[in-house]
Amino acid sequence: GQQLNQSPQSMFIQEGEDVSMNCTSSSIFNTWLWYKQDPGEGPVLLIALYKAGELTSNGRLTAQFGITRKDSFLNISASIPSDVGIYFCAGRPGAGSYQLTFGKGTKLSVIP
Amino acid sequence: GAVVSQHPSWVICKSGTSVKIECRSLDFQATTMFWYRQFPKQSLMLMATSNEGSKATYEQGVEKDKFLINHASLTLSTLTVTSAHPEDSSFYICSAGPSNPNIQYFGAGTRLSVL
Repeated sequence: GQQLNQSPQSMFIQEGEDVSMNCTSSSIFNTWLWYKQDPGEGPVLLIALYKAGELTSNGRLTAQFGITRKDSFLNISASIPSDVGIYFCAGRPGAGSYQLTFGKGTKLSVIP
Repeated sequence: GAVVSQHPSWVICKSGTSVKIECRSLDFQATTMFWYRQFPKQSLMLMATSNEGSKATYEQGVEKDKFLINHASLTLSTLTVTSAHPEDSSFYICSAGPSNPNIQYFGAGTRLSVL
């Protein structure tokens, strides 16, 4: 089956620093989604990407849909303590299926 | 964004009993909903796809007789964990989304603890 490789697995950064994480796939996806999950909560959608090459921002967050359709990255600029959490990428392969494949997550810790 | 409500958020039950978890789409209709299971420090694992008006589609290794799914309306899907055992203790999360755009929103999750 399809697999998503998400890296890094965890990050410790200083408040104010920028953060970058990415996901790569063994096959093509038509939709890339980035979620954030806080402990004991469900994932919250951050950014959705629908076209190869698309670059989308949501406040301090920026994500891009790779040209090859097999990768995506998420950047967080000027990190703050509330950015702490687990970030998941998810991809949808294409028409006819709404199922998502998830990466294993990136755990972000922000040191004040 | 769209709102998905999940209830209860936390449940403790005795071994051998059944537990029902509800997932509702509050501001859109969802012909398809998804049920996930998440173990501590792990990613989400898709258990089944819930289809309104028809049988759910289960992922390999998920027992359909143990995890009963009912999707009787366009805004409600239920997951019933039957004859629960301690190994069923986990975090269960549902998701749903409008077909256009095709994205999924998640419920807040249900923490199940089986004693």
